Amino acid sequence: QVQLVESGGGVVQPGGSLRLSCAASGFTFSSYGMHWVRQAPGKGLEWVTFIRYDGSNKYYADSVKGRFTISRDNSKNTLYLQMNSLRADDTAVYYCAKASGPHEGRFDYWGQGTLVTVSS
Amino acid sequence: DIQMTQSPSSLSASVGDRVTITCRASQSISSYLNWYQQTPGKAPKFLIYAASSLQSGVPSRFSGSGSGTDFTLTISSLQPEDFATYYCQQSYSTPYTFGQGTRLEIK
Repeated sequence: QVQLVESGGGVVQPGGSLRLSCAASGFTFSSYGMHWVRQAPGKGLEWVTFIRYDGSNKYYADSVKGRFTISRDNSKNTLYLQMNSLRADDTAVYYCAKASGPHEGRFDYWGQGTLVTVSS
Repeated sequence: DIQMTQSPSSLSASVGDRVTITCRASQSISSYLNWYQQTPGKAPKFLIYAASSLQSGVPSRFSGSGSGTDFTLTISSLQPEDFATYYCQQSYSTPYTFGQGTRLEIK
């Protein structure tokens, strides 16, 4: 069955950096686009970024453009999110989510999330 | 960006009730509308895609309808496990945006 396991969250100071990972299993990772979606404490869901199955195209929310970078290693079945210049409002649970085949904007499987806290 | 607005923001209902949640898009999104369910401390679960198609494994008491700008999620007979927060989401264009959520509580 599809499994997505995020890691790399933690506490970081404003202006700092963090790299999240998402280990995928149970499906052919190299055939599917992948997303990061975040949820601030007590708030709703916010889409962050998407990468196509082969890494050829990447899209970002304006709130993270220029600071966050999505990447993937299909040989390791792993998705990454490099987060730089972190701000307090980046504090959230970060979920990786699998795109539903050719329907890139649907999120059919989600990981359990990893908490990122930006605080001094 | 396409804004998604859900109503109501919260709803109290009893087991066995029929409930409807609405979602409105700020512009036409055809049928590029998805619904998710989230229980506290858990990841969202994919329920409905393309406005009205049930994801595999989702109980048939869930249904969706609508196109263009107005959509609904209906639960025909509430079960205890259905008390959760529901989000609509448009997959018409990036940035993919969600509604603010509807919290369904036990009356």
